[in-house]
Amino acid sequence: DAKTTQPTSMDCAEGRAANLPCNHSTISGNEYVYWYRQIHSQGPQYIIHGLKNNETNEMASLIITEDRKSSTLILPHATLRDTAVYYCIVRVRETSGSRLTFGEGTQLTVNP
Amino acid sequence: NAGVTQTPKFQVLKTGQSMTLQCAQDMNHNSMYWYRQDPGMGLRLIYYSASEGTTDKGEVPNGYNVSRLNKREFSLRLESAAPSQTSVYFCASSASTGGEGTAGHEQYFGPGTRLTVT
Repeated sequence: DAKTTQPTSMDCAEGRAANLPCNHSTISGNEYVYWYRQIHSQGPQYIIHGLKNNETNEMASLIITEDRKSSTLILPHATLRDTAVYYCIVRVRETSGSRLTFGEGTQLTVNP
Repeated sequence: NAGVTQTPKFQVLKTGQSMTLQCAQDMNHNSMYWYRQDPGMGLRLIYYSASEGTTDKGEVPNGYNVSRLNKREFSLRLESAAPSQTSVYFCASSASTGGEGTAGHEQYFGPGTRLTVT
């Protein structure tokens, strides 16, 4: 399984872009990068995923480097409600099922 | 459309007692999962069920059993609870049954069950 490395914590001002980095230098060619977040005491929430190309949805953008060894999740206009732990996960490939291995994530605090 | 529901929300057990955590999803998903989350840590997979009729061990299966009752429901049983099983338990589901390039791997999580074993 590819291991991911994220900073323990980050701060961001409300209304500014939050850029959350993730290193996954041992990722294999067909493994996807997933991002989830967990707001305090709630179940994790899916944000976005990608394989090679950059991706964007209504919540965030995902930038994956050309060598796929790192990625950045971008929240373009962070709000106080974006304060959460953000998990970068590389999907374990299985013949059935789709297991996710959660690390300790990055605690993002959005400040007013 | 309730998504993933879990019961109970809170539970206190004494060491040696047994209980079953219930999980149901109404999204017609194939795969379901049970995770535990200890304070200040990430989630760890206990068991999962790739499709109705199949179950597999995850990272921390010892002390637990599961039943995939039907496509909607996936229960987690603690036969003899121990203080080390004090945790928050999350159930999740996803559309995919895996495989290269398969879409729908995103998992949807329930609100969690907070279990304390004394």
